[in-house]
Amino acid sequence: EAGVTQFPSHSVIEKGQTVTLRCDPISGHDNLYWYRRVMGKEIKFLLHFVKESKQDESGMPNNRFLAERTGGTYSTLKVQPAELEDSGVYFCASSQVILGIQYFGAGTRLSVL
Amino acid sequence: DQQVKQNSPSLSVQEGRISILNCDYTNSMFDYFLWYKKYPAEGPTFLISISSIKDKNEDGRFTVFLNKSAKHLSLHIVPSQPGDSAVYFCAASRLGGATNKLIFGTGTLLAVQP
Repeated sequence: EAGVTQFPSHSVIEKGQTVTLRCDPISGHDNLYWYRRVMGKEIKFLLHFVKESKQDESGMPNNRFLAERTGGTYSTLKVQPAELEDSGVYFCASSQVILGIQYFGAGTRLSVL
Repeated sequence: DQQVKQNSPSLSVQEGRISILNCDYTNSMFDYFLWYKKYPAEGPTFLISISSIKDKNEDGRFTVFLNKSAKHLSLHIVPSQPGDSAVYFCAASRLGGATNKLIFGTGTLLAVQP
């Protein structure tokens, strides 16, 4: 069974540009989470989808971040326009049920120059 | 403010000895705790968890202890192996909510010396 897949694995963009990250959860997992780790600090929650609905987006930093999960399958996280402080590693995780173990992808390392 | 704290950024242990990783939390509403292990360039991998109704959970070489009154948990690895060298994250959540977002600590880098 394939795990959580994220791409690209690394993205380097300039300040002001737009970047879209993609996450493919484990097949059959209704719950999809986005997290971010900035500069070796803690991994911080961004938002939680249940199927295509946003269950909790309390961790989204500001309105430059837009997450979607059309059809309840894969999800995208768009940053527009990107700022220097957006640099970090963005992780996606999925779980079969809300209380289930969250399985993480390898992450996308975003570098904003 | 950080609700989950791992005050030791790193720990070095000899192969075969015990590794003890510590974690403190401040929010008494947390009722489920997890440990994740992370190798470089990989995502965190679930290791072991414990519910607040227990004070100990064991899985092979890994044991997690929970002290609710002290708001403290620890992960014991016995015996430690070189392959255990990784960053270990402590995480906490509230099972009763509509979401199961994890609140992570900053991680502890464990180095097991052969």
